[in-house]
Amino acid sequence: NAGVTQTPKFQVLKTGQSMTLQCAQDMNHNSMYWYRQDPGMGLRLIYYSASEGTTDKGEVPNGYNVSRLNKREFSLRLESAAPSQTSVYFCASTTGGNQPQHFGDGTRLSIL
Amino acid sequence: AQSVSQHNHHVILSEAASLELGCNYSYGGTVNLFWYVQYPGQHLQLLLKYFSGDPLVKGIKGFEAEFIKSKFSFNLRKPSVQWSDTAEYFCAVTPSGGYNKLIFGAGTRLAVHP
Repeated sequence: NAGVTQTPKFQVLKTGQSMTLQCAQDMNHNSMYWYRQDPGMGLRLIYYSASEGTTDKGEVPNGYNVSRLNKREFSLRLESAAPSQTSVYFCASTTGGNQPQHFGDGTRLSIL
Repeated sequence: AQSVSQHNHHVILSEAASLELGCNYSYGGTVNLFWYVQYPGQHLQLLLKYFSGDPLVKGIKGFEAEFIKSKFSFNLRKPSVQWSDTAEYFCAVTPSGGYNKLIFGAGTRLAVHP
């Protein structure tokens, strides 16, 4: 049982390039989330999907788009990468309600 | 806006010392509270959670936390830390009944020296 799987684990981009981060969960969870983690700032919510077919903005959505492809997969896209988007990105999922979120291993993204 | 404040950014302890990490949140309604731990190079893992009932909750690896509603606090404690507790600890809150959108604190880096 893999849980939450993120690909790739590491990526280096040049400013202006585009990139899609992939996330898949095999726990039949309804809700999925994308966070970014920056030093001294904890994790901040970028976008979330409460259920298949819905997506909503979180705290820091600018510069990102998401797609809830199906119940298992939730991708995050950077259309034109900027150095300010250098961060570690975490995907998470939960059954919903009050249940805790399960996190993936993260994608370390550097934008030069 | 909702926010979570963790008072200590870095804590250094010797093995067997007691640990208390502070967490305060700002939100007027009913909340669910969590502590997550991130070991070096790993993803976040749930330590413990509070939804309702007994305000003293016990988690994995000997950790516990106490919810004090009047103080909007949810401090994490462990009586005797081990070197393996070296990690970053995050307090998080979400309004009850919402879409489980977690608001995280900035984190506390704990270093335990043998």
